[in-house]
Amino acid sequence: GAVVSQHPSRVICKSGTSVKIECRSLDFQATTMFWYRQFPKQSLMLMATSNEGSKATYEQGVEKDKFLINHASLTLSTLTVTSAHPEDSSFYICSARGQPPNTEAFFGQGTRLTVV
Amino acid sequence: QKEVEQDPGPLSVPEGAIVSLNCTYSNSAFQYFMWYRQYSRKGPELLMYTYSSGNKEDGRFTAQVDKSSKYISLFIRDSQPSDSATYLCAMSSGNTPLVFGKGTRLSVIA
Repeated sequence: GAVVSQHPSRVICKSGTSVKIECRSLDFQATTMFWYRQFPKQSLMLMATSNEGSKATYEQGVEKDKFLINHASLTLSTLTVTSAHPEDSSFYICSARGQPPNTEAFFGQGTRLTVV
Repeated sequence: QKEVEQDPGPLSVPEGAIVSLNCTYSNSAFQYFMWYRQYSRKGPELLMYTYSSGNKEDGRFTAQVDKSSKYISLFIRDSQPSDSATYLCAMSSGNTPLVFGKGTRLSVIA
């Protein structure tokens, strides 16, 4: 399958600081990228969908000013958690999908964020 | 009714058993069906991808889709301890985001 690289895999930051997570599609052009959040033993919760060159579409209840998403190229999307607080501690996973008819999505390795 | 229903388990089987994992869904527009495997603290890994109804086999894994019943299955033959993970079904109507089941935790006991 296609390769999606997510970095960093783990990050610990102080409360009030911002953290940037990168998601790269290594061997295909990702027309659409998705960002998820996952709590322990829970399923994936979609936060936002971004199409290359367009503003991200956020799911209800997700603060777009807090979770900044940039998808400036067909191989890179970033999620910035601004002014992080301990309740933002979670596992964040990106997913990338190519152009139709390729509808399967490939996931990054995930980023475990701990805000102290 | 949730769009995708999946029994969370946990499901525990002995090594070598045949495992059957299932999801039901309510949206008849879904045409693309996927199964992902997720190990603890890792991103999901795509196992199987199926379009519309039918069967697909890949090694020890077989995916089945029955659109008339809105029911999909993943079978694992000769299960191994390394198959122990959470299995997520996912589906889409096309360009829309994937809709996931909650995942089934599987343990294969040696």
